[in-house]
Amino acid sequence: DSGVTQTPKHLITATGQRVTLRCSPRSGDLSVYWYQQSLDQGLQFLIQYYNGEERAKGNILERFSAQQFPDLHSELNLSSLELGDSALYFCASSVPGTPGPLHFGNGTRLTVT
Amino acid sequence: DAKTTQPPSMDCAEGRAANLPCNHSTISGNEYVYWYRQIHSQGPQYIIHGLKNNETNEMASLIITEDRKSSTLILPHATLRDTAVYYCIVRVSDSGNTGKLIFGQGTTLQVKP
Repeated sequence: DSGVTQTPKHLITATGQRVTLRCSPRSGDLSVYWYQQSLDQGLQFLIQYYNGEERAKGNILERFSAQQFPDLHSELNLSSLELGDSALYFCASSVPGTPGPLHFGNGTRLTVT
Repeated sequence: DAKTTQPPSMDCAEGRAANLPCNHSTISGNEYVYWYRQIHSQGPQYIIHGLKNNETNEMASLIITEDRKSSTLILPHATLRDTAVYYCIVRVSDSGNTGKLIFGQGTTLQVKP
């Protein structure tokens, strides 16, 4: 158990809809990272927050947004969903500053029909 | 971030040592080498990391060449449960609290009875 909690585990929704994925980082970790893993793309870095502020951005679509709250949990919002957004979405957390490793949750499997 | 090159797949007999190579010839002085694995769509699991010196923990050993251009992850006694995709990643150590991990395609290790 990595200590990173993601909810829900599974999500099925229709095209055009909006969903919110939630992540609770490990106790003491200030950084939260979001990743997307689809069958043909591998693990893609989306975005990172550190102590409530956006710190790094990867290949995140404009339809997607994220935030980190004062209690350090994070939410990834996906809107105007398309079939191609079906994927596993992972959250990871780390202590402040490298080289502390990232610890990953077990992901949310999103299916868009 | 420096890129890494790994063989796409490897086999190993159960009970034998699994040696997974990684080339990172463009690694910079402030970049660490990290190893993760992913078992069947679970969240990536941290294994080990190092900068210059060889490292060992309860899961594996990491051997980094003196010029730091390559490394080897060693699982001393592979079991069937070690079958997974193994990722070698180089990651910048900085004070900006970014430290995202960029995943490549990894090596699929198949441990056979």
